[in-house]
Amino acid sequence: DTGVSQDPRHKITKRGQNVTFRCDPISEHNRLYWYRQTLGQGPEFLTYFQNEAQLEKSRLLSDRFSAERPKGSFSTLEIQRTEQGDSAMYLCASSPRVGLNTEAFFGQGTRLTVV
Amino acid sequence: DQQVKQNSPSLSVQEGRISILNCDYTNSMFDYFLWYKKYPAEGPTFLISISSIKDKNEDGRFTVFLNKSAKHLSLHIVPSQPGDSAVYFCAASVYGGATNKLIFGTGTLLAVQP
Repeated sequence: DTGVSQDPRHKITKRGQNVTFRCDPISEHNRLYWYRQTLGQGPEFLTYFQNEAQLEKSRLLSDRFSAERPKGSFSTLEIQRTEQGDSAMYLCASSPRVGLNTEAFFGQGTRLTVV
Repeated sequence: DQQVKQNSPSLSVQEGRISILNCDYTNSMFDYFLWYKKYPAEGPTFLISISSIKDKNEDGRFTVFLNKSAKHLSLHIVPSQPGDSAVYFCAASVYGGATNKLIFGTGTLLAVQP
């Protein structure tokens, strides 16, 4: 399978714990995005990487959230001191080119439940 | 501020008939529009897109129409099939920005009845 891969698919954690999600984009895609989707809403942009550089962060991304993309390959999204409001589907997407409009390809998401 | 709006939360059509899903946007800087389809517990899957230099794009049973003056786009599915039942998201982006990030609507749940 050469699509966008996310791990884990589901995560249940207690409030206050830290969690980390991983995204493996489609090979050679230099653009990588993280989105968050809550019930009844569309995906909301969180952050964007072009290769290893994090070029934009949404105001939704509080200081408890951090994302990395070392070497411009896979990416991780960490949430520290989780809160119940962090419960959502976290989606990763990648797209192949810089400077051209192309569709973003999404992974299957990580469903986070904070109890 | 909801820049991309899908005002119909749900739509039900009979198999074989046309499904029309609508989307409105407010940001005149948007110049690339996409439709995604999403099944429960899965990520969105790209369906079809249109650039602002066009007013129509077709791909098999799917056609997207763009009316820039009205800031409105629609997705037509003809003929509708039960497998088309899913949530459909409209999305928009701004070319020339640093990111080409997508701004999504809230989705329309399409149910195609056999």
